[in-house]
Amino acid sequence: ETGVTQSPTHLIKTRGQQVTLRCSSQSGHNTVSWYQQALGQGPQFIFQYYREEENGRGNFPPRFSGLQFPNYSSELNVNALELDDSALYLCASRPATSTNYGYTFGSGTRLTVV
Amino acid sequence: AQSVTQLDSQVPVFEEAPVELRCNYSSSVSVYLFWYVQYPNQGLQLLLKYLSGSTLVESINGFEAEFNKSQTSFHLRKPSVHISDTAEYFCAVSYRSARQLTFGSGTQLTVLP
Repeated sequence: ETGVTQSPTHLIKTRGQQVTLRCSSQSGHNTVSWYQQALGQGPQFIFQYYREEENGRGNFPPRFSGLQFPNYSSELNVNALELDDSALYLCASRPATSTNYGYTFGSGTRLTVV
Repeated sequence: AQSVTQLDSQVPVFEEAPVELRCNYSSSVSVYLFWYVQYPNQGLQLLLKYLSGSTLVESINGFEAEFNKSQTSFHLRKPSVHISDTAEYFCAVSYRSARQLTFGSGTQLTVLP
């Protein structure tokens, strides 16, 4: 299977709840990054995982956390949801042998917090 | 800190006309530069990239971008656009040692018949 698959495609949550977004990367892609894209804005870097360890983080609070698994899947968890968390969340992955230009993006999960 | 400025949020243009989408970045050190395209309800697709070497880079569908170090710009051009080019275009920059991409706010290109 090729490409990056994200699930679910759409999600509605209530303020204060917790959410888990999932990403499945292609085999060999052991580096995964997550981005938040608010409406009308460019994607903003949340964090990156390499070999199941976080190795880079953007300006996001600790209630944004992640996991990466040996089967090239990963999760983004957000606790205590706020209205401003409403956005498109993008997962991007690449093999360790390439630099940033090798990223493949998924189609994203549209999260709405009400 | 890195920043990317896309000077035009919306660019309407008639079919078969030329177009230029402008991008300026703040970093003065060595960077990688990218243009991504996003169609409605889809993720980002890499359009073209500058890593090193020739300052003019081209995509397979007729777009080109020129890296101008003195002006810290990486403008995207196409000599003749098609209806199918209608999409959001994002300029992005990355330090060669950094782990993340920094994106601009995007330019909505609308090609009119």
